[in-house]
Amino acid sequence: DTAVSQTPKYLVTQMGNDKSIKCEQNLGHDTMYWYKQDSKKFLKIMFSYNNKELIINETVPNRFSPKSPDKAHLNLHINSLELGDSAVYFCASTHIGRGQTEAFFGQGTRLTVV
Amino acid sequence: ELKVEQNPLFLSMQEGKNYTIYCNYSTTSDRLYWYRQDPGKSLESLFVLLSNGAVKQEGRLMASLDTKARLSTLHITAAVHDLSATYFCAVVVYNTDKLIFGTGTRLQVFP
Repeated sequence: DTAVSQTPKYLVTQMGNDKSIKCEQNLGHDTMYWYKQDSKKFLKIMFSYNNKELIINETVPNRFSPKSPDKAHLNLHINSLELGDSAVYFCASTHIGRGQTEAFFGQGTRLTVV
Repeated sequence: ELKVEQNPLFLSMQEGKNYTIYCNYSTTSDRLYWYRQDPGKSLESLFVLLSNGAVKQEGRLMASLDTKARLSTLHITAAVHDLSATYFCAVVVYNTDKLIFGTGTRLQVFP
């Protein structure tokens, strides 16, 4: 079983469209993240949820809205897609607190906006 | 501003040689991780360093952490081609959930 799974793996869409990326973890972790990796491979934290509660919200445009229906899922919805949104988006999960583990990453979603 | 910087950004080295990648961070932290990323792939966890003076070794890679100097190193011994990848350090900001990644070091090992 894949520990952290994202769908879709590839997403090609036109400017102005709205799209969602889904993430699920089966590790029993309490914290999930979204990261954006640009063409230069820099990994930038976007959001973090702990037990369904938004903990970290970096300077990300309002067009990006995360949703966590339960602590095993963290989805990312993007409105009015722009060319600059093209990147690889990674979901990750970890367990904060006693026995904290490293973050485990999904396989990534390569988003291309045309 | 919080910074996690790696040095060098690019490293081309010959098989059999040794080298060290440095990770400097500007915030208080007692947890640091090293990851490996192959082209087009996800991030694979290599090391978890949880205390000052921690040293971990796996094969030809050894990682260490000095929390007072805010410095971690990843030492490569007798490099082989299979080690070619991008290596990231990542720091957990003290008392938060924030996991911040370094700039990455792209390593290429040639014969």
